[in-house]
Amino acid sequence: QKEVEQNSGPLSVPEGAIASLNCTYSDRGSQSFFWYRQYSGKSPELIMFIYSNGDKEDGRFTAQLNKASQYVSLLIRDSQPSDSATYLCAVNIGSGGGADGLTFGKGTHLIIQP
Amino acid sequence: EAQVTQNPRYLITVTGKKLTVTCSQNMNHEYMSWYRQDPGLGLRQIYYSMNVEVTDKGDVPEGYKVSRKEKRNFPLILESPSPNQTSLYFCASRWGRGTDTQYFGPGTRLTVL
Repeated sequence: QKEVEQNSGPLSVPEGAIASLNCTYSDRGSQSFFWYRQYSGKSPELIMFIYSNGDKEDGRFTAQLNKASQYVSLLIRDSQPSDSATYLCAVNIGSGGGADGLTFGKGTHLIIQP
Repeated sequence: EAQVTQNPRYLITVTGKKLTVTCSQNMNHEYMSWYRQDPGLGLRQIYYSMNVEVTDKGDVPEGYKVSRKEKRNFPLILESPSPNQTSLYFCASRWGRGTDTQYFGPGTRLTVL
């Protein structure tokens, strides 16, 4: 059973600080990793994806992947109140796995305090 | 505009009354999925489809049916809805199994009385 684990939070961060969100996964065959942001009652929207070990930056967002330790993280710099949402980690094991290969964590609820 | 659409967006029904939630995508994606989302349980996959006429169960398929007669459409059918199927439902699509981004529809909030 492939699993994706996230701390449910809430994670409270002051405005302007760095928010750090973490995700661990169980399947070593995992190949691609996604971070989605979801506002209450809305659909998830993709923020970033990462395939290779290391860091990937896009504006205020940085995704970090460490396949040896089986974790992926999302850093949000200069956090804004509009960043308050639930962040979903998703892992794709590509070929060879069961189901359709994409597994979501339950999400971390992030609150940015003004 | 590339998008996944769902209808209806909101639905209140009664136990046992058959209903269908439609889903359509205009991106020529092969993979389509249905999820339900409940507080504390996250997104749980109900069914998925890898192409026309190819569907398979996800994690919580009981009480649901799907069909994929055309590539763009993937309706979710509840033949005899029960209150425990009250939830927020999302349809999603992506190109294939590998590293592709998944796109979500706007969601359907279903209440079964």
